[in-house]
Amino acid sequence: DTAVSQTPKYLVTQMGNDKSIKCEQNLGHDTMYWYKQDSKKFLKIMFSYNNKELIINETVPNRFSPKSPDKAHLNLHINSLELGDSAVYFCASSRNTQGSGANVLTFGAGSRLTVL
Amino acid sequence: AQSVTQLGSHVSVSEGALVLLRCNYSSSVPPYLFWYVQYPNQGLQLLLKYTTGATLVKGINGFEAEFKKSETSFHLTKPSAHMSDAAEYFCAVSDTDKLIFGTGTRLQVFP
Repeated sequence: DTAVSQTPKYLVTQMGNDKSIKCEQNLGHDTMYWYKQDSKKFLKIMFSYNNKELIINETVPNRFSPKSPDKAHLNLHINSLELGDSAVYFCASSRNTQGSGANVLTFGAGSRLTVL
Repeated sequence: AQSVTQLGSHVSVSEGALVLLRCNYSSSVPPYLFWYVQYPNQGLQLLLKYTTGATLVKGINGFEAEFKKSETSFHLTKPSAHMSDAAEYFCAVSDTDKLIFGTGTRLQVFP
């Protein structure tokens, strides 16, 4: 069983469209994250949720809206897609909550979004 | 704010040679440090981490890293490279609620 699973793995779409990426973890972790990896492999955190509560929002455009229906799921919806949104989006989860700096993140395999 | 700097975006070694990937950190508090590996078209996997205690940390696949506070470094080493080690390697520091990643080092291993 995959610990952190993301769908879809690949997504190709036109500018201006709206798309969603889903993420589920079966590890029983309390915290989930979305990271963006650009074409130069740079990884930057976008959001984190702890038990369905938004903890981190790293100055991401409000076209990006995460939703956590329960602590095992964190979905990412993107409105009005732009060329610059093309990237690989990684979902991750960790066991511990805020302030526990030794968190080990378990990553999904990534969702490659290409905006044409 | 915490940050990490990885020196060298590309490192090439011959199979059997020593692997050394460099990472320096900046932190206002005792850091928690991590190395992750990303194989092509895959997510990141934890190689090893340093929290407290022994400064030489052993990880998976024969990798290890040494925390040197005086040098603010956490370099990753492996005595003998294998072809399967070819991947992207990321150093990271924990900033309370999130991991801050370095820009990554691509390791190439030649036969």
